[in-house]
Amino acid sequence: DVKVTQSSRYLVKRTGEKVFLECVQDMDHENMFWYRQDPGLGLRLIYFSYDVKMKEKGDIPEGYSVSREKKERFSLILESASTNQTSMYLCASSLKGTNEKLFFGSGTQLSVL
Amino acid sequence: KQEVTQIPAALSVPEGENLVLNCSFTDSAIYNLQWFRQDPGKGLTSLLLIQSSQREQTSGRLNASLDKSSGRSTLYIAASQPGDSATYLCAVRPLTSNTGKLIFGQGTTLQVKP
Repeated sequence: DVKVTQSSRYLVKRTGEKVFLECVQDMDHENMFWYRQDPGLGLRLIYFSYDVKMKEKGDIPEGYSVSREKKERFSLILESASTNQTSMYLCASSLKGTNEKLFFGSGTQLSVL
Repeated sequence: KQEVTQIPAALSVPEGENLVLNCSFTDSAIYNLQWFRQDPGKGLTSLLLIQSSQREQTSGRLNASLDKSSGRSTLYIAASQPGDSATYLCAVRPLTSNTGKLIFGQGTTLQVKP
């Protein structure tokens, strides 16, 4: 089975801190994604990566950056955390074919105080 | 712009009942549609993927159908159990997405009462 592992289940940070969310997948997937999920707003794509060192902005990239130095690892960085970035963050991965399933990690619930 | 809608937002049924969850999308130019399950505070688990050329997919008590021309999909759950209680989301992959990006509905939260 594909495993997508997010490093933290819960995280509490202070406003202005730099925050790193890590995601690792073990199935050699080309595509990796970061979503955030908020009540009433659903899942929104922050960034995605289709290859090592390649990244593209999603629908809400402001305030975030990403890093993909190795194929299995995709990091989301909050440069200066703000309270409106309190959310559930979900990492996902897939193969690059057109009809490949998307596999999600368990999520990181981030609270910014 | 592709939009995905799931109605109702919440559904409560007694155990043993057969039920249907609905998903509609505005643009039929899609590669596929996926149904996901999400338990509270957890990530999403892919249940079924229907390619645009297919009409339905089955897995155990789950059956998903796709009518691309009308922009609709249904997830049929047979003989529902309390363990089926979760939020079910559908998502489409537009033909414009060459990187696997999906457009999600907001989900239907299902409660199956013992």
